[in-house]
Order: sequence, then C-alpha cells, then structure tokens
Amino acid sequence: EDKVVQSPLSLVVHEGDTVTLNCSYEVTNFRSLLWYKQEKKAPTFLFMLTSSGIEKKSGRLSSILDKKELFSILNITATQTGDSAVYLCAKETSGSRLTFGEGTQLTVNP
Amino acid sequence: NAGVTQTPKFQVLKTGQSMTLQCAQDMNHNSMYWYRQDPGMGLRLIYYSASEGTTDKGEVPNGYNVSRLNKREFSLRLESAAPSQTSVYFCASSEPTEAFFGQGTRLTVV
Repeated sequence: EDKVVQSPLSLVVHEGDTVTLNCSYEVTNFRSLLWYKQEKKAPTFLFMLTSSGIEKKSGRLSSILDKKELFSILNITATQTGDSAVYLCAKETSGSRLTFGEGTQLTVNP
Repeated sequence: NAGVTQTPKFQVLKTGQSMTLQCAQDMNHNSMYWYRQDPGMGLRLIYYSASEGTTDKGEVPNGYNVSRLNKREFSLRLESAAPSQTSVYFCASSEPTEAFFGQGTRLTVV
C-alpha cells in the first residue's frame, strides 16, 4: 500500500521563526516526491525531488530528499504570515500516480 | 490561461440524486485524477486515468464512476449521492514534473 506520512499535523509559530516539515513515504514504485502549498483553493506546486541529497531552493523555502531513509523535509526560514497554509507532500509512483499525505497546517502569527 | 478547469464550483444535492463533475485540461497531459479532500485526511485519490481510454481505481472509488472522454476531459459521476460524499473535489492533470489542480468543487449532500 502506498503511504505518505507527514508531521507535524499542525504547527503554530511566530513571524521570523524557522520551521521544518517532515514527510516519510514507502519505497514501492517510487519515482519522485513533491511538495505543494494549499491556501484557500487548489494546491500549488513547490518542489519536485528525485535525487537524494540535492537541496532545492526557492526564496525562503528549501527541500531535500533522503532516499535511503525514505523521507523529505521542507524548510521555511524567516516565516511570514503569508506562509500560513497547509503543506502537502505527495509521492509519485509509476504511471504518474500521486499519493498525498494528510498535510501540515502551518499557522504563522504576527 | 492554460490549466485545469473544473465545474461546478459549488453544488448541493439531495441524498440519492446524481450528478457529474466536469474537468478539462488544455496542457496535453496524459494523466488525470480525481481527488476528494476532507478535514484531517488530506487528498485521497478516487480514480485516475494514465492515458486516454484507461481508468483505474484509487483509494476511495466506491460510489463514483469516471469517464475519460478524450485526452482533455475526465469526468466524475455520482450515481446516487450520499451524505458521506460531502467533500471538496479536486481534478488534476500531470506530467512527470508536477501536477496541476483545478480550483475545486465543494459538494454538499443533504
């Protein structure tokens, strides 16, 4: 069974804090690991990771994959209130099938 | 703008009624998906279609049918709606690098 587990399920921080969100997955038919940000509507794409140990960065967000330990992390530095959202992790398997985790609800307070 | 178009945005049904959710993408993607999103459960895959003419069950297919009419369109049908199908539904299409989502349909079954 494909399973993606995210932690924590919710997180409340103050502006300026750094947060780390976790995602673990099962190895079966793994092709890539994707991160999405969901605010009020549809998820928007953040990163796709296929190789271990190569960090991807976009502004204050970065992500890395560990294919040996089967997990990925998403880091957000100097958080802002606009970072408040649900962050979703998804595992892509063969046939472009995506399995999502429950998501982490991040709240950034001023 | 290119992307995934999903209709309707909102719908209220009575128990036992039927309806079809429409989805179309103009990015020439092979893979398309239907998800439902419920509080605390993340995105769960209902059905997916790896290519025109093929459909496969996801995690929660019971009570739903799908039709991949052509490469652009992937519809989701509820033959006899039940209150347990109250949810937000997302259609998505993907290529190997990322998935694009529609804006969602909020369905309430009373």
